[in-house]
Amino acid sequence: SQTIHQWPATLVQPVGSPLSLECTVEGTSNPNLYWYRQAAGRGLQLLFYSVGIGQISSEVPQNLSASRPQDRQFILSSKKLLLSDSGFYLCAWKGSGRGDEQFFGPGTRLTVL
Amino acid sequence: LAKTTQPISMDSYEGQEVNITCSHNNIATNDYITWYQQFPSQGPRFIIQGYKTKVTNEVASLFIPADRKSSTLSLPRVSLSDTAVYYCLVGVGGYQKVTFGTGTKLQVIP
Repeated sequence: SQTIHQWPATLVQPVGSPLSLECTVEGTSNPNLYWYRQAAGRGLQLLFYSVGIGQISSEVPQNLSASRPQDRQFILSSKKLLLSDSGFYLCAWKGSGRGDEQFFGPGTRLTVL
Repeated sequence: LAKTTQPISMDSYEGQEVNITCSHNNIATNDYITWYQQFPSQGPRFIIQGYKTKVTNEVASLFIPADRKSSTLSLPRVSLSDTAVYYCLVGVGGYQKVTFGTGTKLQVIP
């Protein structure tokens, strides 16, 4: 069966510090991968998605970046965090078929102080 | 792009049937309609998916009229544990890019 891992679960970082969140998927190959952010009490904002190694589509111009160094690994990074980067970060994977559902990881709660 | 519109919030008493309607006027011919449920501090979870007419599973039913410009998620006999945010999704920019709307916050009242 497929599983998706995210770490860390929680993170408290000062403004201006770097960020690296990692997501890995097991039990599937060539998945579509996604990074979402959810601010408190708000909906999910799509940040990046990837349909293959090294292929990243950015949805929101900001100080975040994403990379996919391996088929089942998706990394979200920032060189300098802003207060507005606080939120709940979710990684998800989906099969390449049109009707395939998404599966979400447990999320990372990021607080920027 | 197939934008979706849902009510922001709904209240229901325990044991009642809840119907949440989603409008998607610009749905494309090949788009599926998918509903997710999200509890606080968790990622969304798939509930049901359909293309046309009616789909039913152990959790919910999905009604889609012939023109497919809307869909209705039906939750039978809700309980307190059904309190969550429900998202309606339609393929946006193709099936690879998946975006969520604001969702409907359902509050089940004892």
